[in-house]
Amino acid sequence: LLTQSPATLSLSPGERATLSCRASQSVSSYLAWYLQKPGQAPRLLISDASNRATGISARFSGSGSGTDFTLTISSLEPEDFAVYYCQQRGHWPPTFGGGTKVEIK
Amino acid sequence: EVQLVESGGGLVQPGGSLRLSCAASGFTFNYAWMNWIRQAPGRGLEWVGRIKSKTDGETRDYAAPVRGRFTISRDDSKNTLFLQMNNLEAEDTAVYYCTTYRNSWFDQWGQGTLVTVSS
Repeated sequence: LLTQSPATLSLSPGERATLSCRASQSVSSYLAWYLQKPGQAPRLLISDASNRATGISARFSGSGSGTDFTLTISSLEPEDFAVYYCQQRGHWPPTFGGGTKVEIK
Repeated sequence: EVQLVESGGGLVQPGGSLRLSCAASGFTFNYAWMNWIRQAPGRGLEWVGRIKSKTDGETRDYAAPVRGRFTISRDDSKNTLFLQMNNLEAEDTAVYYCTTYRNSWFDQWGQGTLVTVSS
């Protein structure tokens, strides 16, 4: 089970965002982050806890291992306001967290 | 450029069947492991199932809620992935996405197709 917090994060453009994903049991580093904008499909941001996917801005960074993971957005751009999901593949079947909505304050 | 285009969604009555398709381009489809993931309206993401490549045995795996009712298949000659859904339930109402599976992550996603199960 993956638990994301907070459910909603209200911030202003330019601010730093810190999103948390906690696993009920260790998933090693087998964790990914996805971004989903309204009406669009999710997009892979981070894989293996800390590896940015192709074409993803360096303002996105991931960290953690075991049960506690963090996605950090160093300075929010307007296009970053969306829903973020974490996903694990350390245990079968792959599962997703419930999501964190980053909204404009 | 990788493109995944789902089709086949629509309104179906409980107990009915539907077949979704996903047309793939921009990568070597016959070597790719492919997945279906769904998202109920206003809800999170749920993995539905995957199919491996023929060279890897074309093994299929399914999530517990759909096992025995859904079947994933592929036609490598047409670069197309399928999801046959039988005995549909209201809880199957969702947008269904096909995805690639690169380095064991859901790398590329289609735009999704909406399935609504309702009488």
